[in-house]
Formats: sequence, structure tokens, C-alpha cells
Amino acid sequence: SQQGEEDPQALSIQEGENATMNCSYKTSINNLQWYRQNSGRGLVHLILIRSNEREKHSGRLRVTLDTSKKSSSLLITASRAADTASYFCATQLPYNQGGKLIFGQGTELSVKP
Amino acid sequence: SQTIHQWPATLVQPVGSPLSLECTVEGTSNPNLYWYRQAAGRGLQLLFYSVGIGQISSEVPQNLSASRPQDRQFILSSKKLLLSDSGFYLCAWSLMSYEQYFGPGTRLTVT
Repeated sequence: SQQGEEDPQALSIQEGENATMNCSYKTSINNLQWYRQNSGRGLVHLILIRSNEREKHSGRLRVTLDTSKKSSSLLITASRAADTASYFCATQLPYNQGGKLIFGQGTELSVKP
Repeated sequence: SQTIHQWPATLVQPVGSPLSLECTVEGTSNPNLYWYRQAAGRGLQLLFYSVGIGQISSEVPQNLSASRPQDRQFILSSKKLLLSDSGFYLCAWSLMSYEQYFGPGTRLTVT
């Protein structure tokens, strides 16, 4: 399996509910980032969590990182129809390995009004 | 503020034809630049990245190439397109290798 795998692949919820997406990875990382992509558009950076951080908040977003389990989760609280999009995690490799971002396959979130 | 442009937005090309996609960044200097390809319903595949003018690193062996003739210009090219080159091509920039900022993308269909 590839670095940065998200689950579920697709998630459908009602407006107002919380949405949780998970990401697993295999190697050491410098940081882990979450991006959002609306259909047919470029990606938008949401939040970055460093390898020495365990939790980070930004508005309705909450990200956790467990480096011992090599996993992260993105929680969107009180979801809105406008949150409908694909969400990708991306792990940044250590700088001595090029520092590149490795993207997962994404979770497609549908929020129904 | 920084902006990133890509053109064209969509492109339909026959197999065997050449390709040139352009990406330019405004409002920043000496950015790291990246080309990704996204197949339908899938994640992003890093194709090339550049840390400076004339410095290109290739990630995936293929019939594509990249060049960086100016600090804020990144070009993706091919001499002969294959059907498998179809996809959504995204350019991105970053500073200090942290978060990346993406352009609007080019939808390429090879027929």
C-alpha cells in the first residue's frame, strides 16, 4: 500500500453532523498536511501538523497525529453543504529524503443539506 | 499576495502530438515548484520538482520533461503524447518546503 492512505474513500453525512477522516502512513515524516479539493479545481491547504505535535485546531477543523501508530485524523465539526469536497492527507518526508510531499488517494466527502 | 497561474485550462490533443503546459507564480521569489498529475478519482502523483532555475528533479520515468527557464516559470513538456498522459495536471509552489499552494490545473485529454 502507498504512503498516506485515507479512509474511508467516501463519506456521506447530513449537514450539522461531524465528519472524521483518517490517514495512515508508513515512513518517518517531517509533518503531515491536509488539503481540500473541490471538483475540477486545484488543492487548497487546510492545516499542517508537525511531527512533534499531537493535535491542532483551525476553526471547525481538528487534526490529530499519532506518530507511534503512523496515523492522523481530520475532524470537521458541524459540517455544511459547502464542505462537500475531496480531502487529502499529505506527508512530508524528512529533508534528508528530499522533503517531498506524498499524497494519499483522498476521501470524498458529501454533506447533504 | 502570491498567485499562481496555469494555462491552458483545458486541452485536447491527439496521440503523438507535442505538449507544453505553463505555470507562473507571482508575488514571491525563489519558490520551490512542483508538477503533479491526478488521474480521475485518485490522489496526486508528483512528476517533477525544482528548487531553482535550471534545477529539475524527476520522480517518475515517462515521456514528460520539465524546465524552469526563469525563477517563477515552470514548464511541462512532451515530444509525443501517449493516451496514458491524460489527466489533470497541477502546478504548485512552496517556500522552505512547507505547505504548498496549487494552481487551478490543466485538464488534458489525449485522443
